[in-house]
Amino acid sequence: SQELEQSPQSLIVQEGKNLTINCTSSKTLYGLYWYKQKYGEGLIFLMMLQKGGEEKSHEKITAKLDEKKQQSSLHITASQPSHAGIYLCGAVRAGNMLTFGGGTRLMVKP
Amino acid sequence: EPEVTQTPSHQVTQMGQEVILRCVPISNHLYFYWYRQILGQKVEFLVSFYNNEISEKSEIFDDQFSVERPDGSNFTLKIRSTKLEDSAMYFCASSEALGDQPQHFGDGTRLSIL
Repeated sequence: SQELEQSPQSLIVQEGKNLTINCTSSKTLYGLYWYKQKYGEGLIFLMMLQKGGEEKSHEKITAKLDEKKQQSSLHITASQPSHAGIYLCGAVRAGNMLTFGGGTRLMVKP
Repeated sequence: EPEVTQTPSHQVTQMGQEVILRCVPISNHLYFYWYRQILGQKVEFLVSFYNNEISEKSEIFDDQFSVERPDGSNFTLKIRSTKLEDSAMYFCASSEALGDQPQHFGDGTRLSIL
């Protein structure tokens, strides 16, 4: 099984709808990053979560970390076409290397 | 806003040739990383670098790979004798510190081996 599983793998939502992306780790989470990747481009840093129960928000995006469940969720409120892209979670491992999930491909229909 | 810059954006090379991918990390950052993403697959860690030394490397980072910080601004990844399976997007990242400072990524170099 994969170390970091993201669900769903892809998502199509109508503009204005809310959505949630999940990231579950098979190993203890010491820190978790969320990035957004546009097709064929680099990774844009969104948020970093380090403590269990931590919740952070940036504009309409909120991320939470549940250390006990070894899980993080990313919630987008009132989605817009600009939110479209691939959302990646990355877990911090030894030596500060990041292990990434497979990504969630989000499309927002106007 | 400061950013990580990578050149070239696209590199096409014959199999067996050497290739050097270049990165300029954010100026006050001390930790540097290379990752790669084969088309349709996950982003994978290659190597981390601090204080002119490799800190960590993955099993992907074998003897054909090397990294260097030749001056105060550049950070390079060299692949000595490229193989078809080296075709991928290569991302450079940098961070100010370990732990509580995020890694910021460049836009990547798309390497195509023919």
